[in-house]
Amino acid sequence: DTGVSQDPRHKITKRGQNVTFRCDPISEHNRLYWYRQTLGQGPEFLTYFQNEAQLEKSRLLSDRFSAERPKGSFSTLEIQRTEQGDSAMYLCASSFMSGTYEQYFGPGTRLTVT
Amino acid sequence: GQQLNQSPQSMFIQEGEDVSMNCTSSSIFNTWLWYKQDPGEGPVLLIALYKAGELTSNGRLTAQFGITRKDSFLNISASIPSDVGIYFCAGRNYGGSQGNLIFGKGTKLSVKP
Repeated sequence: DTGVSQDPRHKITKRGQNVTFRCDPISEHNRLYWYRQTLGQGPEFLTYFQNEAQLEKSRLLSDRFSAERPKGSFSTLEIQRTEQGDSAMYLCASSFMSGTYEQYFGPGTRLTVT
Repeated sequence: GQQLNQSPQSMFIQEGEDVSMNCTSSSIFNTWLWYKQDPGEGPVLLIALYKAGELTSNGRLTAQFGITRKDSFLNISASIPSDVGIYFCAGRNYGGSQGNLIFGKGTKLSVKP
């Protein structure tokens, strides 16, 4: 039984560059979520997918951020023209579609923008 | 926006002691979850609660869904060094999003061996 996986685990980029992160959810899970976590804070919701449909986006998800889940399996999160304020841990989680709200998280991608 | 208040923010305890922490909300929640996060890793789900008054255990961990629906508690009995980490409460409120969970800022637990 494999859990949620994320790639890369760490990313260092220069301000203004684009970055893309990948998340592979637990295979039976229909829903996939992206969160952002900064130091000393709990995770903050960014967006979620049910199968391939993006159902909700947080106001934190500026127009420089885009997420996709084209085949309802893995998802990518892209940040364009990165800013130093984008430095954070980006967490992916997955869950079943209904019945419970138990979300299972991956190990995260630590982004550092220099 | 909606916030969850966790207390205490941090605590140091002697190995073998019991630990209590709580989480409160300004609005009614219909789901409470407790997670533990180690440095550089993602949160790991410990316990999920769905009914007011519900008391659920997972090994040495016990959590309760407050009867007011605005709070939840987590207790750790006979703490050991591997209990060190940050404990987050998370919840979903009535009428809230189907997708996202609201997280507290965490309680950082440090154990003296």
